[in-house]
Amino acid sequence: AQSVTQPDIHITVSEGASLELRCNYSYGATPYLFWYVQSPGQGLQLLLKYFSGDTLVQGIKGFEAEFKRSQSSFNLRKPSVHWSDAAEYFCAVGSGNMLTFGGGTRLMVKP
Amino acid sequence: KAGVTQTPRYLIKTRGQQVTLSCSPISGHRSVSWYQQTPGQGLQFLFEYFSETQRNKGNFPGRFSGRQFSNSRSEMNVSTLELGDSALYLCASSLRATSGGTEAFFGQGTRLTVV
Repeated sequence: AQSVTQPDIHITVSEGASLELRCNYSYGATPYLFWYVQSPGQGLQLLLKYFSGDTLVQGIKGFEAEFKRSQSSFNLRKPSVHWSDAAEYFCAVGSGNMLTFGGGTRLMVKP
Repeated sequence: KAGVTQTPRYLIKTRGQQVTLSCSPISGHRSVSWYQQTPGQGLQFLFEYFSETQRNKGNFPGRFSGRQFSNSRSEMNVSTLELGDSALYLCASSLRATSGGTEAFFGQGTRLTVV
């Protein structure tokens, strides 16, 4: 069975600092990996996806993620965090329109 | 292009009642999936519909059901509501439902409160 683990439930960073959110997955075949962001009371917005090819993928809002098959990881990064990045972030693995999500990481940004 | 539209946005129901939630996918998208989001269990897959057929189902009791219409709009129904069914229900649409990679786009969700 596929699963996703996000080890950090909460992360606090200062505005302008770099960010890395961790994601580890378990999947039997070639994984299709995603990062979504959710603001309070809202739906999920797709930040980026990995299907195949270049293991470093660029997304919206200045985010990027790196797929490392040997470590079963798909960590999300941003070089400089803005206050508007405060939200909850979900890593997901899926096939078609059926996704398995991690538990989420809540990001807080200090001024 | 309009996004995924879910109605209503908020619902309050009493235990034992039933509820129907609606989802209109992005124009041209034929796959619709439903998810339940709760603080305790997180985001859990309910079911997926493609071309009016249920393709996949998550581990939920039979009280949770859904359907898809010929215009790809989908409804999910929960019968005999329990307090634990209080959650944010999210609908996602995608262009296709192959076994390969495809993007899923989410609606704003319906917040169901069972009292």
